Amino acid sequence: QVQLQESGPGLVKPSETLSLTCIVSGDSINNYFWSWIRQPPGKGLEWIGHIYYTGGTSYTPSLKSRATISLGTSNNQFSLKLTAVTAADTAIYYCARGEAGTLSYWGQGTLVTVSA
Amino acid sequence: SYELTQPPSVSVVPGQTAIITCSTDKLGSKHTSWYQQLPGQSPLLVIYQDNKRPSGIPERFSGSNSGNTATLTISGAQPLDEADYYCQAWDSSTYLIFGGGTKLTVL
Repeated sequence: QVQLQESGPGLVKPSETLSLTCIVSGDSINNYFWSWIRQPPGKGLEWIGHIYYTGGTSYTPSLKSRATISLGTSNNQFSLKLTAVTAADTAIYYCARGEAGTLSYWGQGTLVTVSA
Repeated sequence: SYELTQPPSVSVVPGQTAIITCSTDKLGSKHTSWYQQLPGQSPLLVIYQDNKRPSGIPERFSGSNSGNTATLTISGAQPLDEADYYCQAWDSSTYLIFGGGTKLTVL
């Protein structure tokens, strides 16, 4: 069974860089898209972007200038960096496995708060 | 770019059929998925490629997509189906987009 687990700091200061890692177990990175999605408290879902196992990436236009998704050095993790964060970036961040445009497995999510 | 429009809320009594819509221009030409999010939990895929159910999803969940509207139908809705539901669309030339979500109440 595929499992995904997000990890990273729960508190980030304004203007700094948010960094999260997703550890994948029960599967390898190969042959799938690997996405980051976020959800501000009490609000809806926002797709941030994804990376294909070959390294190709795609991002939602509103975050393209600040977001970077990369593969880890081992074959079971990928990461998100979001620069110049503000309070509007406070959200639960999820990682997920994607195929043919569908997000079939999700992590449990991690809350990141942007505050001084 | 485009937006996916969902009704903010849908309410049914137990046993009734719940219908949740998702709309944008030419949505029928894109692949759609639906996710169920119970309070405090991660989203769960319930429909993919417009009308396919993942293993373990009850048969009462079904989907369709034609023209400008995709529909999630829950036949014989139960109190345990009470959740937020999100549609999501994708085509090979664009990125993934979520609808704003629909709160389903079953009481």
